[in-house]
Amino acid sequence: GDSVTQMEGPVTLSEEAFLTINCTYTATGYPSLFWYVQYPGEGLQLLLKATKADDKGSNKGFEATYRKETTSFHLEKGSVQVSDSAVYFCALNRETSGSRLTFGEGTQLTVNP
Amino acid sequence: NAGVMQNPRHLVRRRGQEARLRCSPMKGHSHVYWYRQLPEEGLKFMVYLQKENIIDESGMPKERFSAEFPKEGPSILRIQQVVRGDSAAYFCASSSGQGKNQPQHFGDGTRLSIL
Repeated sequence: GDSVTQMEGPVTLSEEAFLTINCTYTATGYPSLFWYVQYPGEGLQLLLKATKADDKGSNKGFEATYRKETTSFHLEKGSVQVSDSAVYFCALNRETSGSRLTFGEGTQLTVNP
Repeated sequence: NAGVMQNPRHLVRRRGQEARLRCSPMKGHSHVYWYRQLPEEGLKFMVYLQKENIIDESGMPKERFSAEFPKEGPSILRIQQVVRGDSAAYFCASSSGQGKNQPQHFGDGTRLSIL
């Protein structure tokens, strides 16, 4: 079945450091890939998405490139801020999976001033 | 607020009671999804509904759990005879259409605690 694997957390960085959160997936066909962010006590917010191979999703300084050859969708940001502290979820959606999202376990990011 | 609205935000029940969780999708959205998040875990799909129809309930436990999305009113996730293991955050999401490219927009969740 479908699965998403994220790098183990938690991740702690200093402000302005470079961020990478690894995400790999297992799925048949051509899924769409998403990154969601969850702030404490809130729901998930869509951060960015990519719908086909080599697409790059970007938003608020975050980027991720859909790499079909390595089945990966790593999240990157060049300079993190304290306000980026949150839990980040990688997810996929296959056309034939009934529109359900399959999520990774989440990666807790803490950015210190 | 035009986002996905869930209520209550927090719900406390004793073992054996019933829990009812409500979700109003974004305006114009007719597709609703329910997910459950256990402590320290990711979200797991439970059920996908369109107005008056259950499209996919493969993630729902076979007993005690049910969901509906009536023609009028919010979607309801009902848990009968709750047990401690039902303690979790339950999230509702909605989308304007079906398909892998449709982004799902999430509510803030209902945090269910079972005493």
